[in-house]
Amino acid sequence: NAGVTQTPKFRILKIGQSMTLQCTQDMNHNYMYWYRQDPGMGLKLIYYSVGAGITDKGEVPNGYNVSRSTTEDFPLRLELAAPSQTSVYFCASSYWGLNTEAFFGQGTRLTVV
Amino acid sequence: EDQVTQSPEALRLQEGESSSLNCSYTVSGLRGLFWYRQDPGKGPEFLFTLYSAGEEKEKERLKATLTKKESFLHITAPKPEDSATYLCAVQASGGATNKLIFGTGTLLAVQP
Repeated sequence: NAGVTQTPKFRILKIGQSMTLQCTQDMNHNYMYWYRQDPGMGLKLIYYSVGAGITDKGEVPNGYNVSRSTTEDFPLRLELAAPSQTSVYFCASSYWGLNTEAFFGQGTRLTVV
Repeated sequence: EDQVTQSPEALRLQEGESSSLNCSYTVSGLRGLFWYRQDPGKGPEFLFTLYSAGEEKEKERLKATLTKKESFLHITAPKPEDSATYLCAVQASGGATNKLIFGTGTLLAVQP
């Protein structure tokens, strides 16, 4: 099993550009999450999903969108990138439910210039 | 306001020198407290979940304990490979149950 796979690992965007961060998991987990991690700050939940077709906002959803068409994939869309979205983004999944033992991807380091 | 505070921010130990990391929390009822390990450039890796005061869990050189106000991660006879950032997170039982509050972590460096 590969676990949780994120692509790309690094990306530089210009202000106003858009992009999609990809996340896929092969553990048949129903629950998936997107977090951002900023220096000196704890991980913050952006969006989460409890199953295919079901998504909900987390703590910091503004400027992002998600979709969950399959159990495996949970892409995060950034529209009109802003410098405040410079961060490291982590996708995670869990089997038993919200915020139980979660498996994280390796992260995507995004810089908006 | 729900809050999680980890201390110290950074800790440097000699190999074999045991110590403890602290995670203090203020939440409106605790559903669970989680410890994760994060290596540089990697995602967090799950270590433990604690659910009630008095609970303890062990894994190799690590032991996590929980009281009503804080959790400790005890590291016994650490090795250089234990060097990492250790993250604490809590889930509150009141309010938004989808919210997991992370601390900012303790950066542990174990020197040979």
